[in-house]
Amino acid sequence: AQTVTQSQPEMSVQEAETVTLSCTYDTSESDYYLFWYKQPPSRQMILVIRQEAYKQQNATENRFSVNFQKAAKSFSLKISDSQLGDAAMYFCAWGRGQKLVFGQGTRLTINP
Amino acid sequence: GAGVSQSPSNKVTEKGKDVELRCDPISGHTALYWYRQSLGQGLEFLIYFQGNSAPDKSGLPSDRFSAERTGGSVSTLTIQRTQQEDSAVYLCASSLSTPRQYFGPGTRLTVT
Repeated sequence: AQTVTQSQPEMSVQEAETVTLSCTYDTSESDYYLFWYKQPPSRQMILVIRQEAYKQQNATENRFSVNFQKAAKSFSLKISDSQLGDAAMYFCAWGRGQKLVFGQGTRLTINP
Repeated sequence: GAGVSQSPSNKVTEKGKDVELRCDPISGHTALYWYRQSLGQGLEFLIYFQGNSAPDKSGLPSDRFSAERTGGSVSTLTIQRTQQEDSAVYLCASSLSTPRQYFGPGTRLTVT
């Protein structure tokens, strides 16, 4: 069975600084997707970024980028120029077919 | 509709009562998922519907939990004889052809 591990229950960063959230996963599959979702206090899960495993190039979305290391089964999220609105729970997820497996989440605090 | 909707937003019930939670997925999405999120925790998969296929109920924690999806659209999650440990946020998501899931705002269930 697939597992997703987020080893940092909580992280904090100064506004405008850069922070990296860690995620590792375990799978025997070679073709899959990886996602980072953000959950603010409103509870709405919002997709931040996604990566297809067959793509070697790391995905980027504005201030958000990933470091995808397939051999190491690692998928970290880097947030540049952190903003107060980035404060939320962040969940890493592994997906294949139509099922997702989520990590336990990292609570990110932004210090003004 | 623009996104996944869930009702009610919040539900307070007495221990032993039955509750029904509703999810209205994005129009045309064939897959629908229910997750449970206990306070400060990750997402726990409950059940998955795909088109007209038999649902994947492997995540339901007990026979007090059941779900239906009528006409391939709206879904209802029913919890019978609620217990205090059922208190959580119940999230619904839908998807079309990829593992990317679109989430609703959730229902916060409190069992007193």
